[in-house]
Amino acid sequence: SQKIEQNSEALNIQEGKTATLTCNYTNYSPAYLQWYRQDPGRGPVFLLLIRENEKEKRKERLKVTFDTTLKQSLFHITASQPADSATYLCALSSSASKIIFGSGTRLSIRP
Amino acid sequence: NAGVTQTPKFRILKIGQSMTLQCAQDMNHNYMYWYRQDPGMGLKLIYYSVGAGITDKGEVPNGYNVSRSTTEDFPLRLELAAPSQTSVYFCASSSQGSPTPYEQYFGPGTRLTVT
Repeated sequence: SQKIEQNSEALNIQEGKTATLTCNYTNYSPAYLQWYRQDPGRGPVFLLLIRENEKEKRKERLKVTFDTTLKQSLFHITASQPADSATYLCALSSSASKIIFGSGTRLSIRP
Repeated sequence: NAGVTQTPKFRILKIGQSMTLQCAQDMNHNYMYWYRQDPGMGLKLIYYSVGAGITDKGEVPNGYNVSRSTTEDFPLRLELAAPSQTSVYFCASSSQGSPTPYEQYFGPGTRLTVT
């Protein structure tokens, strides 16, 4: 069956460092991979989308890579800040009607 | 735009009761979704709709029903509530168009407890 794995352990990073989150998947050939941010008690908020034929996408301090051979995406936050502390969800989709979310990685940035 | 709105924010149900979770969006999105999120877990798709009058099951549809009579509204019905349905429910919408295809816009969620 289709499976998505994200770092199950929380990630603690010193402010100013680069945070790197991992999303691995099996038994799936997604056309798109998305990253969302979720704060406690709130709905997820879209951050970035990368297509299967793209290797890398950037947005301000965020960078996403997508390796369809390794079946892995890496999500980087450079110059991390305490305000970046949240849970980050990876989602795979092959169409608008087929989307699967990972369980998320909790990121804490300490001052 | 209000985006995606959900009501109620919180609800406590007794076992066997029924209720409808409301969801509306004002972005003219054709796709709408219902997810549940259990503590420490990801989102699981319950039902989705690709347009008015068209709905389909997701990963965990048992115990739920949906309808989509208009583009804007996508209510989720719980019949005979069970403790296993205690969760946070999120409604979302998306479109194929801009700014990003299939980017999902989420509502604030409904926290449901069944006792």
